[in-house]
Amino acid sequence: QSALTQPASVSGSPGQSITVSCTGTSSDVGGHNSVSWYQQHPGKAPKLMIFEVSNRPSGVSNRFSGSKSGNTASLTISGLQAEDEADYYCSSYSSSDTLGVVFGGGTKLTVL
Amino acid sequence: QLQLQESGPGLVKPSETLSLTCSVSGVSITRSSYYWGWIRQPPGQGLDWIVNFYPRGTNYYNPSLKSRVTMSVDTAKNQLSLGLTSVTAADTAVYFCVRRNDFWVDHWGQGILVTVSS
Repeated sequence: QSALTQPASVSGSPGQSITVSCTGTSSDVGGHNSVSWYQQHPGKAPKLMIFEVSNRPSGVSNRFSGSKSGNTASLTISGLQAEDEADYYCSSYSSSDTLGVVFGGGTKLTVL
Repeated sequence: QLQLQESGPGLVKPSETLSLTCSVSGVSITRSSYYWGWIRQPPGQGLDWIVNFYPRGTNYYNPSLKSRVTMSVDTAKNQLSLGLTSVTAADTAVYFCVRRNDFWVDHWGQGILVTVSS
């Protein structure tokens, strides 16, 4: 069982916006601004899309944005494109975890 | 340009030891101020940390794997090594070598699938 809770799947049509949620506790998501998001296409390594809640690494499209409210972080993808279909994982610093960083269980995004 | 490349056997027999190497190019592991580590992903499942290593500190292990995991650094070759003893089918996974920047992973190796089977 993953430390952070994500919906198993979300879907949207091209051009639409979708949001993926990531729920934790005050020991992780709610207590620290260290949420990150990763995109993983089948057979590939994950790719960092968002760090520190809402920062995008160089080269990541501005269609991807992150936010946080309380113990829940969110990844929003606007202007959905077919290439956005992938698995998305959230991660956060956790003061209660030995390794210090925990993952969510992942969300499968389907572009209809 | 930082690159991470995992290598090792793709098939390991039950009860034996899984041994993987990660060759790092573009930055010195021991002279950097980053964490390095291993993450694995069982087929069709999510991501799990195995171990974190900080060059100026200590190793941090997944408690469920700690008794079976070893991690070392070859500074001359700029390589990380992972050992996992007494493997079972549950250890079948893609193993990723990673660099952790503060609390996020900013570089991933391509991953290597290791299957545990007789």
